[in-house]
Amino acid sequence: KQEVTQIPAALSVPEGENLVLNCSFTDSAIYNLQWFRQDPGKGLTSLLLIQSSQREQTSGRLNASLDKSSGRSTLYIAASQPGDSATYLCAGATMYSGGGADGLTFGKGTHLIIQP
Amino acid sequence: NAGVTQTPKFRILKIGQSMTLQCTQDMNHNYMYWYRQDPGMGLKLIYYSVGAGITDKGEVPNGYNVSRSTTEDFPLRLELAAPSQTSVYFCASSDTGATEAFFGQGTRLTVV
Repeated sequence: KQEVTQIPAALSVPEGENLVLNCSFTDSAIYNLQWFRQDPGKGLTSLLLIQSSQREQTSGRLNASLDKSSGRSTLYIAASQPGDSATYLCAGATMYSGGGADGLTFGKGTHLIIQP
Repeated sequence: NAGVTQTPKFRILKIGQSMTLQCTQDMNHNYMYWYRQDPGMGLKLIYYSVGAGITDKGEVPNGYNVSRSTTEDFPLRLELAAPSQTSVYFCASSDTGATEAFFGQGTRLTVV
């Protein structure tokens, strides 16, 4: 059974710093890994999707990497801003023997606070 | 662009009552999912569907039922609501099991 772990559970940094959020998974047979942002009381907003054949994806100040062999993904946020404050979730879609995927397995998230 | 739409946004139920959480998507996606999120926890899969007429259980299906009569709609039914079903429910869709998933804004359900 796939398990996803996110470290740290919470992080508070001053504005302007670069930071890294970590995600690890136990089963390397994944189709993809997706990073989401969740604001309090809101739904999930997709940030980046990395397919299993890719090593990284970039969108603006965000860069996500994927290393299947080590079971790790990182989300790098450059030049952090107070508006980046949110909970960040990673989730993996796991392949099964029939070739299908049956939804995402989520980590518990990293609660990020950017201090002005 | 509507994307994935869930109704209602909030609901309070009494123990033993039943209700249906509605979910509709306008992206013509084949896959649809229901997740629940409890405080401090990641999302857990309740049920999913890979196309109209096909549904399957996820990690935590007990106490819930689903149907998928059309590509667009994937309602979640709660029978005999229990306090353990107090949670935030999210519906999602994706084109395939390996493509980007899009989420609705959630339904916050309280069972008292």
